Amino acid sequence: ETGVTQSPTHLIKTRGQQVTLRCSSQSGHNTVSWYQQALGQGPQFIFQYYREEENGRGNFPPRFSGLQFPNYSSELNVNALELDDSALYLCASSPGVAGGRGTGELFFGEGSRLTVL
Amino acid sequence: AQSVTQLGSHVSVSEGALVLLRCNYSSSVPPYLFWYVQYPNQGLQLLLKYTTGATLVKGINGFEAEFKKSETSFHLTKPSAHMSDAAEYFCAVSAATSYDKVIFGPGTSLSVIP
Repeated sequence: ETGVTQSPTHLIKTRGQQVTLRCSSQSGHNTVSWYQQALGQGPQFIFQYYREEENGRGNFPPRFSGLQFPNYSSELNVNALELDDSALYLCASSPGVAGGRGTGELFFGEGSRLTVL
Repeated sequence: AQSVTQLGSHVSVSEGALVLLRCNYSSSVPPYLFWYVQYPNQGLQLLLKYTTGATLVKGINGFEAEFKKSETSFHLTKPSAHMSDAAEYFCAVSAATSYDKVIFGPGTSLSVIP
């Protein structure tokens, strides 16, 4: 069983640039959530995709956007990068919601560490 | 809305001593509660979870946690700390919504002293 994989693992950008981070979900999982983890803090929920539709969003501006593909892999795009966007970006997949409440059990990748200069 | 607080950003214990990491939550609906562990330069791994039923939950690596609704707490314990337990621990909550929005606490860094 293949776990959650993320790419790239590290990247450096400058203010104002755009970045795309990629995530392959665990086999059999149709839900992907993205989190931002600043240094020394807990993960902050960005948004979630369920069967290619955005299915919930945290308190992040519209320059944070995403996609989910038919194979349930996902991308996180951040436009107009700011210094405060420097963080570890975590992708987590889960088996998904079947017409009701999910279990909340998330399977995380190792993250993409973004540094904005 | 849901939120999580973790008392103590850093906890140090001696090897073989009791580990106690504190977590309190706020939720307007019955919560699901979780503890995740994060080792350096890695993603998060689920230690244990409470959904319904028995309030004492056992997880991996000898950890357990007890859901106390009256105290809105979900403290994590382990009878005897091992050096390999040194890591960052996150308490988390999700609520009865239609999606798995999981809210994490700020984390507690556990150090184990030989």
